[in-house]
Amino acid sequence: DAKTTQPTSMDCAEGRAANLPCNHSTISGNEYVYWYRQIHSQGPQYIIHGLKNNETNEMASLIITEDRKSSTLILPHATLRDTAVYYCIVRVGSGSARQLTFGSGTQLTVLP
Amino acid sequence: EAQVTQNPRYLITVTGKKLTVTCSQNMNHEYMSWYRQDPGLGLRQIYYSMNVEVTDKGDVPEGYKVSRKEKRNFPLILESPSPNQTSLYFCASSKRTGVDTDTQYFGPGTRLTVL
Repeated sequence: DAKTTQPTSMDCAEGRAANLPCNHSTISGNEYVYWYRQIHSQGPQYIIHGLKNNETNEMASLIITEDRKSSTLILPHATLRDTAVYYCIVRVGSGSARQLTFGSGTQLTVLP
Repeated sequence: EAQVTQNPRYLITVTGKKLTVTCSQNMNHEYMSWYRQDPGLGLRQIYYSMNVEVTDKGDVPEGYKVSRKEKRNFPLILESPSPNQTSLYFCASSKRTGVDTDTQYFGPGTRLTVL
């Protein structure tokens, strides 16, 4: 699986958009970008994933650059409950139960 | 409500006393996994199961056993717990086919302390 690089921490004002970047310059053509988050000591929660097109769901938007070497997770209107560690994971969607490699992630703190 | 449940949520035990942490999912998922999370080490997979009666070792299987007799349940067994198994444990499940396999659903966690 490709290595990812994320900032250690970010702050965001409540109600504003939170933009979380992720670099994955070694991504290969069949690897997907996944985002999960973990609110303190709770189970990780799936947010969104994509291959090359931008994606949006009820939680967030995922913007993937044209060369696929980086992506941005956007939480459009951050709330205090969005304070969590956000993990960007790149891997092949090959259909297995092999582990997700979470890395260190970005600690997002939403400020009132 | 689709969910993964774990019991107990908190457990304090002593070295050598056998224990079982249960995991159950109601989403008819084929795949189930156990992870442990330790400070500075992230989440590491202990065991996983691709279907009933099919289990395999993850990265850190020593000291653990699992079984998959039913599709919905995947218990984690510590036959003789030791203090180095003090950790936060998560069970996860996912569907089998295509990309959705990587959309893993995690339980709430079990915080285990072995004295």
